[in-house]
Amino acid sequence: GAGVSQTPSNKVTEKGKYVELRCDPISGHTALYWYRQSLGQGPEFLIYFQGTGAADDSGLPNDRFFAVRPEGSVSTLKIQRTERGDSAVYLCASSPWDRVNTGELFFGEGSRLTVL
Amino acid sequence: QKEVEQDPGPLSVPEGAIVSLNCTYSNSAFQYFMWYRQYSRKGPELLMYTYSSGNKEDGRFTAQVDKSSKYISLFIRDSQPSDSATYLCAMKEDNFNKFYFGSGTKLNVKP
Repeated sequence: GAGVSQTPSNKVTEKGKYVELRCDPISGHTALYWYRQSLGQGPEFLIYFQGTGAADDSGLPNDRFFAVRPEGSVSTLKIQRTERGDSAVYLCASSPWDRVNTGELFFGEGSRLTVL
Repeated sequence: QKEVEQDPGPLSVPEGAIVSLNCTYSNSAFQYFMWYRQYSRKGPELLMYTYSSGNKEDGRFTAQVDKSSKYISLFIRDSQPSDSATYLCAMKEDNFNKFYFGSGTKLNVKP
């Protein structure tokens, strides 16, 4: 597909469980972002990758959240010991490295996480 | 105080109206300003971006940035029902690639 793909599209889990959310960016896009969007709110920055490395992880709320991008393409957001407050839509976006300044982020449709 | 403030609306207008959407911000280092449109249960998509102050026009859309007032606007002319969506402003500093989003304004254009 041509766009950013996120799986699963919906995930329901119980408090305390471990969750992985996957993002498959557009081919060739070196910049990759994770954002979290709660109901009625704008996207909240979590982490930004340039290639394989996390260039900015200042938005990760605590050490239960971790993200990897081992080969510079697919990224996985990992949440340990989920809490009800983690319920949100997790958005992934990718961009060519030279288009980041112009805000040309291509977003996926998100993974909707519900923690019961 | 949030970095970026945006009136959540909802804003309801008749088809053909001119719509004005606005954001204020507190960080004077912001240099890149973007407007995204987000349909229900979809990811945001970029509408326009502006660097520093000034106006930019693209079809029915005009973006304005007033850095002295820390205020940005998006105008939509001849609004259409298909413009009904949530509009998000976003901004970033020059040497950092972290985008700060507003909370979004929900727009409804009635036929």
